[in-house]
Amino acid sequence: GENVEQHPSTLSVQEGDSAVIKCTYSDSASNYFPWYKQELGKGPQLIIDIRSNVGEKKDQRIAVTLNKTAKHFSLHITETQPEDSAVYFCAASRAGGSYIPTFGRGTSLIVHP
Amino acid sequence: DAMVIQNPRYQVTQFGKPVTLSCSQTLNHNVMYWYQQKSSQAPKLLFHYYDKDFNNEADTPDNFQSRRPNTSFCFLDIRSPGLGDAAMYLCATMGAYNQPQHFGDGTRLSIL
Repeated sequence: GENVEQHPSTLSVQEGDSAVIKCTYSDSASNYFPWYKQELGKGPQLIIDIRSNVGEKKDQRIAVTLNKTAKHFSLHITETQPEDSAVYFCAASRAGGSYIPTFGRGTSLIVHP
Repeated sequence: DAMVIQNPRYQVTQFGKPVTLSCSQTLNHNVMYWYQQKSSQAPKLLFHYYDKDFNNEADTPDNFQSRRPNTSFCFLDIRSPGLGDAAMYLCATMGAYNQPQHFGDGTRLSIL
């Protein structure tokens, strides 16, 4: 089955700095890669996703890059703000009939004012 | 507007006393999920439904059961809660293959 590794487990940055979270996956058939942000006491919410036919996607301060050959994808947050502090989860889903994404273990991002 | 609604947000029960958590969705999604999440961990899948087709994860304890009476509602029953079942329980939906999941804000379950 699919295995998703996520690093780092904790990331501490100063406000205004950039933050990068990396995930690797094992199943070359995976083709959909969402990122979720989970704030304290709430459920995970999608912030950005990417499909295997695209190498990069941006949405304002957030971007995701995908390297299919190396089987890794990364979340990039620029100009971090204190409200970016949360736990971030990557996930991977394979094509062809599985409704079960595999999650990474999560990264706790702390943005210091 | 909330699209996946979980009730209650906080639930306290006694050791061994059955408890039911509920989830409703306004998205008309075919797939619904129940996850258990403990502190600083990724959500752990307990069950999922495709329509009324029930799928149980191999390592989900027998103490946990689920019902989906219609597209909009799904319930998680814990027959005899133990201290180890204290956790956040998340409900989620998905509309089609390789689409994002939509999560509710969870029910925080405490066991006395």
